[in-house]
Amino acid sequence: ELKVEQNPLFLSMQEGKNYTIYCNYSTTSDRLYWYRQDPGKSLESLFVLLSNGAVKQEGRLMASLDTKARLSTLHITAAVHDLSATYFCAPSSEKLVFGKGTKLTVNP
Amino acid sequence: DAGVTQSPTHLIKTRGQQVTLRCSPISGHKSVSWYQQVLGQGPQFIFQYYEKEERGRGNFPDRFSARQFPNYSSELNVNALLLGDSALYLCASSLWGTGYTFGSGTRLTVV
Repeated sequence: ELKVEQNPLFLSMQEGKNYTIYCNYSTTSDRLYWYRQDPGKSLESLFVLLSNGAVKQEGRLMASLDTKARLSTLHITAAVHDLSATYFCAPSSEKLVFGKGTKLTVNP
Repeated sequence: DAGVTQSPTHLIKTRGQQVTLRCSPISGHKSVSWYQQVLGQGPQFIFQYYEKEERGRGNFPDRFSARQFPNYSSELNVNALLLGDSALYLCASSLWGTGYTFGSGTRLTVV
């Protein structure tokens, strides 16, 4: 059974700082998704990573995938307040399996 | 183009009642998945349908059932509601296991 562990679960950071969210998963997965969720809202797709070594960037967010280590990272560069949200990773094996999420708060 | 449409947006039910949630996928998408998200947790997989057939079921009791119609829309039914069924129910549409797009969800409160 595919299990997903994200850390940290809570992250408070200052604007302008960099940080990385880690996503470990237990078994082989053919792809991995990152989603953003604002309070009371649905899930917004950020990235889908399809192969080992895949790296995708959008604005201040960059995601990478290491399938051998079963690890994905979401790196935040020069954080701004608008990035405050909960971020989920979800490897998929016919269905999405979500981590518990990382609640990010960016303080001025 | 319309995205994934879910209805209703909010619902309040009493313990023991039954509820039906509805989802219309993106045009051309033949797969619909349902997820339950309890406050403060990640979404949990309930069902996946493709071409009107169940292709996956999560670890939920038999009180939960679903179906997919010829137009690929889907319904999730929950019988004998419990307080613990209070959650955000999310529907995701995809071509088949790729590029999941989520609807805005149905917030179910059981009192």
